[in-house]
Amino acid sequence: EPEVTQTPSHQVTQMGQEVILRCVPISNHLYFYWYRQILGQKVEFLVSFYNNEISEKSEIFDDQFSVERPDGSNFTLKIRSTKLEDSAMYFCASSEWGRYTFGSGTRLTVV
Amino acid sequence: GIQVEQSPPDLILQEGANSTLRCNFSDSVNNLQWFHQNPWGQLINLFYIPSGTKQNGRLSATTVATERYSLLYISSSQTTDSGVYFCAVERNNQGGKLIFGQGTELSVKP
Repeated sequence: EPEVTQTPSHQVTQMGQEVILRCVPISNHLYFYWYRQILGQKVEFLVSFYNNEISEKSEIFDDQFSVERPDGSNFTLKIRSTKLEDSAMYFCASSEWGRYTFGSGTRLTVV
Repeated sequence: GIQVEQSPPDLILQEGANSTLRCNFSDSVNNLQWFHQNPWGQLINLFYIPSGTKQNGRLSATTVATERYSLLYISSSQTTDSGVYFCAVERNNQGGKLIFGQGTELSVKP
């Protein structure tokens, strides 16, 4: 069964540093997403991406965040200057006909 | 925005028991999905079920869209069923955001 692949699985970064989280969505899916889950809490929507542009974003997705599809397969989330409260599991997802497939997540720890 | 409430928040079962998890949502939706988050944090899509009933092995789900709820049934539970079960809904079913409930944490004891 096709998978959404995320790298790295874990990342530890110093506060104020930039991080890039990488994802390879399922190849024939047209919609891509980033979600995050702070430890012990529910999964929260960050941003959706369609046709090479952001289609929707949440209030969490402020100027510190950006997304990019640099080539035909990768989809990245960049956090410019990380804060302690950015520590969370970040999930990439893609969807087709309303059915979502999530990646295994990147656990980001900001110290 | 749409509110999604799941019950119960926690559930402890003996292996072999059956259970029903509930998801209520506050407005009409065109997309509803159930996920299982395993102890390693992976989110596994169990059902895409905006309405009707589906079955997959020991799991089945029913969504009554007109009454704004969905049920997930787990029969003959196994220890590998442990984890958190999330219900998530989407208003438009056009690549918009999924809104997740708080989840039901299930623990199946041997």
